[in-house]
Amino acid sequence: ILNVEQSPQSLHVQEGDSTNFTCSFPSSNFYALHWYRWETAKSPEALFVMTLNGDEKKKGRISATLNTKEGYSYLYIKGSQPEDSATYLCAFKYDAGGTSYGKLTFGQGTILTVHP
Amino acid sequence: AAGVIQSPRHLIKEKRETATLKCYPIPRHDTVYWYQQGPGQDPQFLISFYEKMQSDKGSIPDRFSAQQFSDYHSELNMSSLELGDSALYFCASSFEGASSPLHFGNGTRLTVT
Repeated sequence: ILNVEQSPQSLHVQEGDSTNFTCSFPSSNFYALHWYRWETAKSPEALFVMTLNGDEKKKGRISATLNTKEGYSYLYIKGSQPEDSATYLCAFKYDAGGTSYGKLTFGQGTILTVHP
Repeated sequence: AAGVIQSPRHLIKEKRETATLKCYPIPRHDTVYWYQQGPGQDPQFLISFYEKMQSDKGSIPDRFSAQQFSDYHSELNMSSLELGDSALYFCASSFEGASSPLHFGNGTRLTVT
């Protein structure tokens, strides 16, 4: 069983605050780490797919870093806005060897609420 | 752009009945995944298909079965439904092997009464 853990479980911030949360995953047989945003009543939407140790991705005010050797990724949101309120999911995919890849295993998510 | 289409959006069934959920992936995507999300839980992987063959299996009960057809659409069949099967069922598609994100459908909300 693969453990993908996210912290904190929930987070309340004020509009304009910057925030970050963590995804921890197994540090062996790494293939890819995904981040998704899941807004209420919508389906999850991909933010980033990260594959290389030290990778940094940025999309507007949201960025992510990756450390595959120690098994963690951080998601940062700069200047949070109420529309950033959502559940942020990370998902880990392992290298099963050869040309096989394991399933994408999701963490339990971090629920972000940005108050105006 | 075409997205992943799931049907039906909502389904209400009684205990011990059977349900079939359908998923139409994005054209040319070769992999389909099924996830189940119970109330207040993170999505749990059920099963995946690569090029119409089952590629991985998660915590899918024996009462459930799934397949991917020649046109790449997939169906999740659920028999002898139990109250605990009430959940949101997501289908997602992607390109396998590459650093391709999952594209999710809007989900089917199954309620078992």
